[in-house]
Amino acid sequence: TQLLEQSPQFLSIQEGENLTVYCNSSSVFSSLQWYRQEPGEGPVLLVTVVTGGEVKKLKRLTFQFGDARKDSSLHITAAQPGDTGLYLCAGASRVQGAQKLVFGQGTRLTINP
Amino acid sequence: ETGVTQTPRHLVMGMTNKKSLKCEQHLGHNAMYWYKQSAKKPLELMFVYSLEERVENNSVPSRFSPECPNSSHLFLHLHTLQPEDSALYLCASSQGGYTGELFFGEGSRLTVL
Repeated sequence: TQLLEQSPQFLSIQEGENLTVYCNSSSVFSSLQWYRQEPGEGPVLLVTVVTGGEVKKLKRLTFQFGDARKDSSLHITAAQPGDTGLYLCAGASRVQGAQKLVFGQGTRLTINP
Repeated sequence: ETGVTQTPRHLVMGMTNKKSLKCEQHLGHNAMYWYKQSAKKPLELMFVYSLEERVENNSVPSRFSPECPNSSHLFLHLHTLQPEDSALYLCASSQGGYTGELFFGEGSRLTVL
């Protein structure tokens, strides 16, 4: 069974601080995706990382994929209250023309003004 | 309408009832998914359909019965459910292939009494 361990599960920090969320697995994935979910909505994709060692930036968010394609991290610089939400990492594997995504438990992030 | 639409948004049912959840995608995708989101568990993959063929059944109890009549519609038929089945049921679609984004609906919040 493929499992993704996400940490921390809860994080509450002040506006302007930096933070890092980790996503670790013993399994190799074809890609790793990060989603953000707001209350009452479904998850929305932030980024997909495919290549081991890959780094992608999305404004103040920096995503890294581990060299062995088993782990990833999300770093947020100068967090804003609008960054509050549930952040989910998901490892992808192939299943007959579709994707099988295995999700971590999620990190519930609260940014206090 | 655009994106992925799920109905109903909220459903309360008794353990002996039979109900169905509906998902419709307007994105021209050819893969569709059912996920279950419980309060203290990661998002759990239930079923994957690719080109209307079920390609993954993730050890889901038979009281959940999926149906995919065409590439735009996906149903989850529910019967003889248990209170522990209460959760948010999320439908998603993707273009197919192995690195594409999943587009999620807003979910159907199910409560089993």
